[in-house]
This record gives sequence, structure tokens and C-alpha cells, in this order.
Amino acid sequence: SQQGEEDPQALSIQEGENATMNCSYKTSINNLQWYRQNSGRGLVHLILIRSNEREKHSGRLRVTLDTSKKSSSLLITASRAADTASYFCATVFYNQGGKLIFGQGTELSVKP
Amino acid sequence: KAGVTQTPRYLIKTRGQQVTLSCSPISGHRSVSWYQQTPGQGLQFLFEYFSETQRNKGNFPGRFSGRQFSNSRSEMNVSTLELGDSALYLCASTRGQGDSPLHFGNGTRLTVT
Repeated sequence: SQQGEEDPQALSIQEGENATMNCSYKTSINNLQWYRQNSGRGLVHLILIRSNEREKHSGRLRVTLDTSKKSSSLLITASRAADTASYFCATVFYNQGGKLIFGQGTELSVKP
Repeated sequence: KAGVTQTPRYLIKTRGQQVTLSCSPISGHRSVSWYQQTPGQGLQFLFEYFSETQRNKGNFPGRFSGRQFSNSRSEMNVSTLELGDSALYLCASTRGQGDSPLHFGNGTRLTVT
């Protein structure tokens, strides 16, 4: 079964608006990662946040991690049409660095 | 630096056949992982190889197998194909130590008829 559950499953916004996606997981993790996937292609790594970190930024991306609630959120600010893609959170257990457990993903549509 | 390369890009097979997919990781990466992506089950971990040894394994039947060569290139094999094996198979590589993000190839789209 999937470790992560994402919310919402689909999100449609206008260019310039912010997009927030949430991810919940079930057991203790080493780190949590966010990936983007354009239709039918491979995943692209966006950001990694370790279990002892609470917030990270990368360009227009902001990720938070709340280990007490076992949840994370990804915020994309000032969205662009090119941000249209599926976004996945993935959790990594200790000593299993190559094994990511993915959520079902959020399908983001940014309309120009 | 060249990215992760997967071949072939598309494949059509018949039930009962077997198939071999290939993955060339980024130069210097010693870990290769394989994932299956379907609309119903999402992204599921198959297995990971590091320095020619299987380091992690997912919950797939024995029909799914893999191996890694000394140059870190990896292959996965699916025997006795079933309709449900139709999926996008993704390979990812990483240095394999510490908190290294995965670098994915564009996948092999397998259709079983």
C-alpha cells in the first residue's frame, strides 16, 4: 500500500496564483522528497527535506514538514502554465535510500 | 552529463512472453532503482541494486527480476507476462549514499496484449 496520501488529487488554478499540495504519511521517515512528472515522462526531483528540518525553499517552491502530524506541504508561488504537471511526495525510510514510497500524486493544471 | 537512459521507449508484448528492459544510469551513480507506474496502483517500488547487489526489494512476484552489471547498467526482466503488467516502467539512479535524490529516466511503456 502507498505510504503517502496526497491532497487534493487534482487542482486547477490561474496563472499567477499559488498552489498548495499536501502529503500525509504513516510511519517514521528519514527524509521526504517532492517530484514533478510531466505527462508520460520521468519524474524530476524538486526538493528534499530531512526529518529534522521544518521548512525549505527552492526558488518559487516552499516545502514544510511536520513530523508530529506526519505531513508535508508543497507551495508553488506565482504559478505558471509550465508548472502544469503531476506532483508526488515520496518518503524514504532509514537505511533504504534507494527505495522511495510514493503518494498517489496531485494533478496540477495552471491555466494561462 | 548525460541523464538516465532507458531502452526501449515503447514495447508491445503478448501474454505469456517475457521482456527485458534496460537502464543506463548517470555516470558515477552506483544505485539503480526500478519502479512500476500504473493508473490504478500509482508508482510502486520494484527493486534497487547497488554495486551489482540487490539492496532493497518491493512486493512483486518472482516473475519480476533484475540485475546490475559492473558498469552500473541495469536490466529488469518480466517473465510470463500478464495483462496487468502493462505499465510505465521507470528506472532511477543515484550515487547510493546519503540523502541523494533520484534521477529518473523517461521510462519504458510496456503494453501486454
